[in-house]
Amino acid sequence: SQKIEQNSEALNIQEGKTATLTCNYTNYSPAYLQWYRQDPGRGPVFLLLIRENEKEKRKERLKVTFDTTLKQSLFHITASQPADSATYLCALTDRGSTLGRLYFGRGTQLTVWP
Amino acid sequence: DSGVTQTPKHLITATGQRVTLRCSPRSGDLSVYWYQQSLDQGLQFLIQYYNGEERAKGNILERFSAQQFPDLHSELNLSSLELGDSALYFCASSASPGTEETQYFGPGTRLLVL
Repeated sequence: SQKIEQNSEALNIQEGKTATLTCNYTNYSPAYLQWYRQDPGRGPVFLLLIRENEKEKRKERLKVTFDTTLKQSLFHITASQPADSATYLCALTDRGSTLGRLYFGRGTQLTVWP
Repeated sequence: DSGVTQTPKHLITATGQRVTLRCSPRSGDLSVYWYQQSLDQGLQFLIQYYNGEERAKGNILERFSAQQFPDLHSELNLSSLELGDSALYFCASSASPGTEETQYFGPGTRLLVL
């Protein structure tokens, strides 16, 4: 069956450290993978997109890697801040279904403490 | 603010009832997506419209239906409501499907079925 698994439901780290979140997928053939941030009771907000032929993408303190051999994406937040506390969702589009349709993982809840 | 609006913000109703959720996409976006988010299921794709036409269907129950109108706003109709339909319902929009377009999510409608 198809699965998108994010490493843990919750991740707690100290301010200033690097947070690393994992997204593993099974039985998908993603054209590209996206990461979203979701705050409680609010809609997801797009952060980064990485294509299947890209190894790494950066945006300010954010970095995403994509390894299609391992079927895994890693999402890093460097110099983390309490304001980074939120749930982070990975999502992918599958070549086998309508492009544009997103499949989401359950998310990892990140808490950054001072 | 994503530019996507959803009404109402909260909805409380009883089992067996019917409700309509409304979504206005970002200006210029032709594609609308509906998602359901519950605690046990995560964010699940329901249905996608592009320029008034249904484009893809996901895990949408037969009791649910949707449409996109000529002015591009969309409505999601939920009927014969059950307790398990209680969830957050999100609408998202993008310029067009089948590309790397980011999906912009609305603030959601929180539905509580009693």
